[in-house]
Amino acid sequence: EAQVTQNPRYLITVTGKKLTVTCSQNMNHEYMSWYRQDPGLGLRQIYYSMNVEVTDKGDVPEGYKVSRKEKRNFPLILESPSPNQTSLYFCASSPRGNTEAFFGQGTRLTVV
Amino acid sequence: DAKTTQPNSMESNEEEPVHLPCNHSTISGTDYIHWYRQLPSQGPEYVIHGLTSNVNNRMASLAIAEDRKSSTLILHRATLRDAAVYYCILRDVWETSGSRLTFGEGTQLTVNP
Repeated sequence: EAQVTQNPRYLITVTGKKLTVTCSQNMNHEYMSWYRQDPGLGLRQIYYSMNVEVTDKGDVPEGYKVSRKEKRNFPLILESPSPNQTSLYFCASSPRGNTEAFFGQGTRLTVV
Repeated sequence: DAKTTQPNSMESNEEEPVHLPCNHSTISGTDYIHWYRQLPSQGPEYVIHGLTSNVNNRMASLAIAEDRKSSTLILHRATLRDAAVYYCILRDVWETSGSRLTFGEGTQLTVNP
């Protein structure tokens, strides 16, 4: 089954403790992105990648890092999480071109 | 990015057609019109997209105005499972920022039994 898989689905952590949210897709897509969703602000893009070793900032990249060492994986790294990064995070992938994007089920992160 | 305007909420009855409008008066010639929906506690899900001509797929139909300044997503027979937030998004055919989609607030669709 074609899918985008995120882990973990839920995470509660403390301020400053480094964490990684994994994202994997099995569709051989070139493009991958991370979004965060907050009430009243909608979904905003954090980082994106257009292929292996090619990443760039989205609209709200501060406090996040990403890497794309393999085509299927696009982890989101929070080196020193803060409470304002408490949010619902979604990973997405799509093939090259103006076609549909596939989203993961989301990761609900709480930073206390 | 060109902006879209959608009603905050709409209601429908089960098994009736639903017409979800979207205005995009500043659309450019290279903007595709995409629709996604987000069911409760899930990630966004692709519904349909088009450029100029009306489009149909197994989920819905997309009717695009002749001047392309508005479009309508049509669900032919609403079910309870169609209750979701529906997003109308413009995406430039030359978009280079990966799978970037700029989401607005969308329309919350309620389906009554």
